[in-house]
Amino acid sequence: DAKTTQPPSMDCAEGRAANLPCNHSTISGNEYVYWYRQIHSQGPQYIIHGLKNNETNEMASLIITEDRKSSTLILPHATLRDTAVYYCIVRGSSNTGKLIFGQGTTLQVKP
Amino acid sequence: GAVVSQHPSRVICKSGTSVKIECRSLDFQATTMFWYRQFPKQSLMLMATSNEGSKATYEQGVEKDKFLINHASLTLSTLTVTSAHPEDSSFYICSAVPTSGFSYEQYFGPGTRLTVT
Repeated sequence: DAKTTQPPSMDCAEGRAANLPCNHSTISGNEYVYWYRQIHSQGPQYIIHGLKNNETNEMASLIITEDRKSSTLILPHATLRDTAVYYCIVRGSSNTGKLIFGQGTTLQVKP
Repeated sequence: GAVVSQHPSRVICKSGTSVKIECRSLDFQATTMFWYRQFPKQSLMLMATSNEGSKATYEQGVEKDKFLINHASLTLSTLTVTSAHPEDSSFYICSAVPTSGFSYEQYFGPGTRLTVT
């Protein structure tokens, strides 16, 4: 599976949009981009995933560049409860595929 | 929604003893489960893939005789840390993949914090 690169940390003001970037320049054609987050001392939580089209759900939006070498997770109105480590993971389409976690981005939402 | 539980949530054991951690999918069947370990301020590290009815597949560097995995039913996988030592103290997290469901679905348990004294 392709490797991802994320900034180690970011700050965001409460109520503002949080834009978390991820580079995955070695992604292959059948690999999806997944985003998970982990709030302190809890198990990871699925946020969103996509292949090449932009995706939106009740939690976030995922913007994938046309060449698929990078993506951005957008939390439209960050709250203090969104403070967490956010992981961008690239994985194949099999439902038994492993999730290999990188270091992620620690997002601190500040009042 | 799909729920994965882990038991116990916290455990303290003495060096040299064995500890069993359970991972259960509460409202779905899971042919495949994964076990992760997470040290403080580090990311999750995949330890092994647990497949119902067959032997687990361990990641490189993970000792299969030390971390025994049993996936005896479609809703339960267990991880036994044998002859635990202080360096095994960590946060252990499991995840489960629904047998029938969308290919992207994978649900994580809340984790088990193991402290070996």
